Amino acid sequence: NAGVTQTPKFQVLKTGQSMTLQCAQDMNHNSMYWYRQDPGMGLRLIYYSASEGTTDKGEVPNGYNVSRLNKREFSLRLESAAPSQTSVYFCASSEKAAQYNEQFFGPGTRLTVL
Amino acid sequence: QKEVEQDPGPLSVPEGAIVSLNCTYSNSAFQYFMWYRQYSRKGPELLMYTYSSGNKEDGRFTAQVDKSSKYISLFIRDSQPSDSATYLCAMRVGGGADGLTFGKGTHLIIQP
Repeated sequence: NAGVTQTPKFQVLKTGQSMTLQCAQDMNHNSMYWYRQDPGMGLRLIYYSASEGTTDKGEVPNGYNVSRLNKREFSLRLESAAPSQTSVYFCASSEKAAQYNEQFFGPGTRLTVL
Repeated sequence: QKEVEQDPGPLSVPEGAIVSLNCTYSNSAFQYFMWYRQYSRKGPELLMYTYSSGNKEDGRFTAQVDKSSKYISLFIRDSQPSDSATYLCAMRVGGGADGLTFGKGTHLIIQP
């Protein structure tokens, strides 16, 4: 049982390049999330998917797109990377029906945009 | 004003001390309150959660919520060097699948 896995672990992009961050969970959770973590800013929600087939914007969605490929997988795409998107990206999943909606986090992807 | 305020620290205390970590918030609709622990270069992991006001204890950890003051706390008794990490408070308005609103995190250092 691997929990939440993310690929890649590290990535360096040049301004204007595109890339997709992959996330998968093996806990049969309905809900999945993408956060970014920046120094002095804490974790901020980019997009989430309450259930397979649905996606919603979070606090900071500009410059990103997401795809809920199936129940297990939720990807985050940067179409034209900018230096302001340099951050650590975390994927999380939860069981929507659980009272506290405990979110389980992956190990993160460290992205640098030059 | 950010919805959730948390002193980023660092907070450095000797081993065995009682640690108090705090967050204040402005949105009175928050009902679910959580504390996450994050070790360096790792993802956050859930430590404690409480619903509405009150206290919850789990081993050396106690979480308190005072909704009237919009103030939550995490106490760590008999602190250990392995408790050295960043502690993030998080909260949510209701049940369901909404994302969490996090504080910035407090970097805690327990000195052996």
